[in-house]
Parts: sequence; C-alpha cells; structure tokens
Amino acid sequence: DAMVIQNPRYQVTQFGKPVTLSCSQTLNHNVMYWYQQKSSQAPKLLFHYYDKDFNNEADTPDNFQSRRPNTSFCFLDIRSPGLGDAAMYLCATSREWGGTDTQYFGPGTRLTVL
Amino acid sequence: AQSVTQPDIHITVSEGASLELRCNYSYGATPYLFWYVQSPGQGLQLLLKYFSGDTLVQGIKGFEAEFKRSQSSFNLRKPSVHWSDAAEYFCAVATPQGGSEKLVFGKGTKLTVNP
Repeated sequence: DAMVIQNPRYQVTQFGKPVTLSCSQTLNHNVMYWYQQKSSQAPKLLFHYYDKDFNNEADTPDNFQSRRPNTSFCFLDIRSPGLGDAAMYLCATSREWGGTDTQYFGPGTRLTVL
Repeated sequence: AQSVTQPDIHITVSEGASLELRCNYSYGATPYLFWYVQSPGQGLQLLLKYFSGDTLVQGIKGFEAEFKRSQSSFNLRKPSVHWSDAAEYFCAVATPQGGSEKLVFGKGTKLTVNP
C-alpha cells in the first residue's frame, strides 16, 4: 500500500512556466519534506513542514515555494522554472522532526524543463 | 557542517558474490548514520540506521553495516548479492539533537549485479 504518493511521476514544463508538484501521505505524519535530486547528485533538502510550520533551507532559491493545506497534502511550486531546475523531486515524511526519525519517501517526480 | 562521502560511484558484482559499499562521514562527534536504497522508479527506502550501541547493525534484505569511529566509516555489506539488489545506495548522516538534524546524503553508489 502506497504511503507517500507523488503526482505526477513525470512532468514536462517550459522554461519560465509555473509548475506544481503534488505529494500526499497516508501515514498521518507531522513532518513533510521536499528534496531535489539532480542527476548523479545527492538528494538535497529544499524545505520541510512541521505541521503547518514552514522551514526553508537557507540556500533554497526563492523560485521554490511550498504549501501544505492539510496534514495529508504538500505541494511544491516552482514559479519560473529554469533549465537548471530539471531534476527528480522527492517528497518524504516522518512522524517527528529530528535525525532519529525514519523518513519515508515517495517515488519522486522527474521534472523536465524545455 | 557534516558531510558524507561515498567513494565509489558505480560497483559491479556477480550474483552470489559478497558486497561492501563504502561510506565516510565528517562530523566532530558521532552522528546518526543511515543507509537508504533507491530502486529504479522507486523512492528511497531505509535499509538500516545506527545511533549508538553495538557497532554492527543489521538491516532489511540481509544487509548489515559496521560503524568504525576510528575510520569515520559506516560501510554497508551483504554476504551474497541477489539480482534484485541492483539499485542505487545512499549513505546519510544526521546530527544528534542540538545540531541541524537534517539528513545529509552522499552522492550514492550505483550497484549493478551480473548474472
């Protein structure tokens, strides 16, 4: 049974055209994360929500925004995608924030920017 | 800030052979250590983790890892590899409470299994 679901799995957008990626979870976890994973690179944390509290990583570009309307859903908005934003975007959840809590990942959305 | 190095980008082994994937970390104290696996088209799945105690940790799918403080290493091992183990493996660290606590991943090691 899928616990962290990401839609769509593949997304193609045009340079500068806003795009939204979706993540939902059935685990009722407090924390939801968005990671960016470029080809042959490590997943990099963009931001996370603890409940409704948004926490942005210092080096996350302003072009990236997120919304969490309820416990189950979290969205990643890229306002003006550039070619450099082409990547796999991973959503994850954990019960609590902190290094000891296991993170559960979705299958990712691969974003292509034309 | 903590960092993780996975020296091997790509490893190929034959089915049934033993496997060791290397991971080195940089952090002033003992961090929390993790190994994740990412199969094609799938998300990352936790194989095992180390926080404290016994330095040999058992995980799922027959994997184990050994924490060696003197070498700042947390290498992943499996005595006999199966074709289904072909995937990308990520080592990750998080600092204990009081640090940043976020997961920092290595760049991954891609494992190919030959029949």
